[in-house]
Amino acid sequence: DVKVTQSSRYLVKRTGEKVFLECVQDMDHENMFWYRQDPGLGLRLIYFSYDVKMKEKGDIPEGYSVSREKKERFSLILESASTNQTSMYLCASHLAGHTDTQYFGPGTRLTVL
Amino acid sequence: AQSVTQLDSQVPVFEEAPVELRCNYSSSVSVYLFWYVQYPNQGLQLLLKYLSGSTLVKGINGFEAEFNKSQTSFHLRKPSVHISDTAEYFCAVTHFGNEKLTFGTGTRLTIIP
Repeated sequence: DVKVTQSSRYLVKRTGEKVFLECVQDMDHENMFWYRQDPGLGLRLIYFSYDVKMKEKGDIPEGYSVSREKKERFSLILESASTNQTSMYLCASHLAGHTDTQYFGPGTRLTVL
Repeated sequence: AQSVTQLDSQVPVFEEAPVELRCNYSSSVSVYLFWYVQYPNQGLQLLLKYLSGSTLVKGINGFEAEFNKSQTSFHLRKPSVHISDTAEYFCAVTHFGNEKLTFGTGTRLTIIP
C-alpha cells in the first residue's frame, strides 16, 4: 500500500514564524506536490517536484518555498508565516507518467495567529 | 490551458435518494478525468477515472460517471446515497504528458436522514 505521510495533522504558529511542513512517501515516486485547500477554492497547486532538487512553481507559490533533498521527502517552507496562510495543506505523489494514480497524504491544518 | 468547473458548491440529498454531482471541463486536447472524495478530516482518495474507452466509468462505493465529449462534462452519479457518502467531492482534469492535475472547487455532499 502506498503511503504518503505528513508530519503534523494540526499546527498552530504565530505570524512571522518560519514553518516547515514535511511530507514523506514510501513508494519511490518521482513526482511530489504541495497543494493548499481552502473552502470554495478547491485545491490549488503551490509547488511541484519531479526529481530530487528539482522543483517547479505551481499556481500560488508566493510566500512559499520547497526543498527536496531526498526522493522520498518533500518539504514546504513558509519563510515568514502570515495569517492569510492559514489553510489545509495537502501533499501528494505519483510515479512519473502516472498522473492517474496520485496518492494524497492526510493533510496538515495550519493556523497562523 | 485546462480548467474544471463544479457549479454546485453544496448538494443536500435525502438518504436513499439518487444524486448527481456536476463537473464541466475545458481543454484544447484530449483529457483524462477524475473524481476524488474527501471524507471529513482525511486526505483525498480516488473514486474513479476516465482515461479512454467506455464513456461510462464505474468507481468505488457504487459511484459512476459518464464522460460526454460534446457537452465537455463528467458528471458523477449514485442511484441511492447513504449517510456514509457525506463528504466533499472534487473533479480533476489532466492530459497526456501533463504531470499535474487541475482540480475543481469541490462539491460538499450532505446526506439528510
